[in-house]
Amino acid sequence: DSGVTQTPKHLITATGQRVTLRCSPRSGDLSVYWYQQSLDQGLQFLIQYYNGEERAKGNILERFSAQQFPDLHSELNLSSLELGDSALYFCASSVAAGALQETQYFGPGTRLLVL
Amino acid sequence: SQKIEQNSEALNIQEGKTATLTCNYTNYSPAYLQWYRQDPGRGPVFLLLIRENEKEKRKERLKVTFDTTLKQSLFHITASQPADSATYLCALGGNTDKLIFGTGTRLQVFP
Repeated sequence: DSGVTQTPKHLITATGQRVTLRCSPRSGDLSVYWYQQSLDQGLQFLIQYYNGEERAKGNILERFSAQQFPDLHSELNLSSLELGDSALYFCASSVAAGALQETQYFGPGTRLLVL
Repeated sequence: SQKIEQNSEALNIQEGKTATLTCNYTNYSPAYLQWYRQDPGRGPVFLLLIRENEKEKRKERLKVTFDTTLKQSLFHITASQPADSATYLCALGGNTDKLIFGTGTRLQVFP
């Protein structure tokens, strides 16, 4: 158990809908990262937050947004869902930001299926 | 663009043998490289980190090498066990917090 929690574990929805994925980092970790993993693309970095502020951005679509709250939990919002958004979404956390070469601790993931 | 290549074909080996997985990269000069293990339907788990100025790193039965000239890392599991069966991901990091992951190689260890 990494100490990172994600809810829900599974999500089934329809195209055009909007969903929110939630992540609670390990106790004491200030950085949260979001990744998307699909069969053909591997693990893709989406976005990172550090202590409430956006820190780094990856291949995140404009239909997707995220935020980190004062209690350090984070939410990833996916809107106008398309079939291709079906994937595993992982959250990871680390102690700090800018501390290069840091280990990231991954949550169990949320499996999203868009029908 | 940056590219990381891991053998997409599964590696099948017999218990007790050494498994060697390869990670090659192009168009990138990473400051460090990490290896993660991922079991089906679960999140990746950190195994080892090696920096650009290090040639080799060991942890128990695991060994990682990093050749910045060849742009390659090798990941070895000695005395492999069926419990080592999983997908292994390499990830490159530079001067930001962002990690770039390879697609992983599935290892199957047979008794």
